[in-house]
Amino acid sequence: GENVEQHPSTLSVQEGDSAVIKCTYSDSASNYFPWYKQELGKRPQLIIDIRSNVGEKKDQRIAVTLNKTAKHFSLHITETQPEDSAVYFCAARNAGKSTFGDGTTLTVKP
Amino acid sequence: DTAVSQTPKYLVTQMGNDKSIKCEQNLGHDTMYWYKQDSKKFLKIMFSYNNKELIINETVPNRFSPKSPDKAHLNLHINSLELGDSAVYFCASSRRAGSHTEAFFGQGTRLTVV
Repeated sequence: GENVEQHPSTLSVQEGDSAVIKCTYSDSASNYFPWYKQELGKRPQLIIDIRSNVGEKKDQRIAVTLNKTAKHFSLHITETQPEDSAVYFCAARNAGKSTFGDGTTLTVKP
Repeated sequence: DTAVSQTPKYLVTQMGNDKSIKCEQNLGHDTMYWYKQDSKKFLKIMFSYNNKELIINETVPNRFSPKSPDKAHLNLHINSLELGDSAVYFCASSRRAGSHTEAFFGQGTRLTVV
């Protein structure tokens, strides 16, 4: 089955700096890669996603890159703000099943 | 309007009891899921139903039994609760199994077994 590894498990940055979270996946059949943000005590919510036929996607301060050959994808957050502090999950989806990474706890210090 | 709603939000119960968590989605989605999030925040899929049919059944003890009376509802019944079942259980739905669509999560049910 699919295996998704996510790094780092914790990340602390100063407000205004960039944050990068990386994920690798094992199943080359996976074709959809969403990223979820989970604030403390709340539900995971999609922040950005990318399909396997696209290499990069950007939405304001958030961008995701995908390297299908190397089977890895990354989340980039620029100009971080304290409200970006949360747990971020990557996922790889294949045949209706999403396998999640173990999460990255991002702390943005004001 | 809550897209995916699950009840109860909190559930505290004793070991050995049987309990149920209910989930309903009003998004018209075909596929529904149950996820378990443990104390380390790891999010693991348990079950997936597509149009009331079970399509994913991960390695979950038989004490857990999902039931989907229709495609808008997916309930989770747990028999003989154990301490290790304590976790947050999330219901989710998506448009179609296998499609490139996000999963919408419910607010979670925090289950504490004492």
